Amino acid sequence: EVQLVVSGGGLVQPGGSLTLSCAASGFSLSGSTIHWVRQASGKGLEWVGRVRNKAYSYATAYAASVKGRFTISRDDSTNTGYLQMHSLETEDTALYYCTRVAVANSWRFDPWGQGTLVTVSS
Amino acid sequence: QSALTQPASVSGSPGQSITISCTGTSSDVGAYNYVSWYQQHPGKAPKVMIYDVSNRPSGVSDRFSGSKSGNTAFLTISGLQAEDEADYYCSSYTRTSTGVFGGGTKVTVL
Repeated sequence: EVQLVVSGGGLVQPGGSLTLSCAASGFSLSGSTIHWVRQASGKGLEWVGRVRNKAYSYATAYAASVKGRFTISRDDSTNTGYLQMHSLETEDTALYYCTRVAVANSWRFDPWGQGTLVTVSS
Repeated sequence: QSALTQPASVSGSPGQSITISCTGTSSDVGAYNYVSWYQQHPGKAPKVMIYDVSNRPSGVSDRFSGSKSGNTAFLTISGLQAEDEADYYCSSYTRTSTGVFGGGTKVTVL
């Protein structure tokens, strides 16, 4: 079965750090661009950032709301993507999804992980 | 990057057709044919329904179709069914190599 499994969420204090993992099974992530998307409770989807594949030198890009605080990376040897979050703010509280775009020159997020909840609170 | 603009809600009776709009700018929706649409049922992860403006993934009903005109993309659901009741989000690639989503549209089947 083709799936992405997201883990690492939890409760963290403002100013703290947390790292999320996105493990692929049933397919290889190595040729894909990995994206992270978040959704605050009762709110819409927000694009967080992405890391491209080796052919594109693992280039990253981030939403303005997280730039400088979040870092996206990947380890193709373990078929896993990562989202490192620092200087967390209460506004970062959300369900975090990982997904991928498999083919360059396309905009299709598929599949999606089940999401992991990050709660930033004192 | 501002969110794309979608109507908050759209409703229709079973069997009817509805269309959801997604308005951006010349820096996102209008810049490329890289617009996709996602269906999200409560408590579930999003599911791609349309990608690259008008392409439908295998397994998605042909009642779903997509199009674009200028800076606005559209998702049309024909022959509305009870199972189509969900939130729908558009997404676009942007000129700054980032992504952006719309605010979401709640579809209600009357």
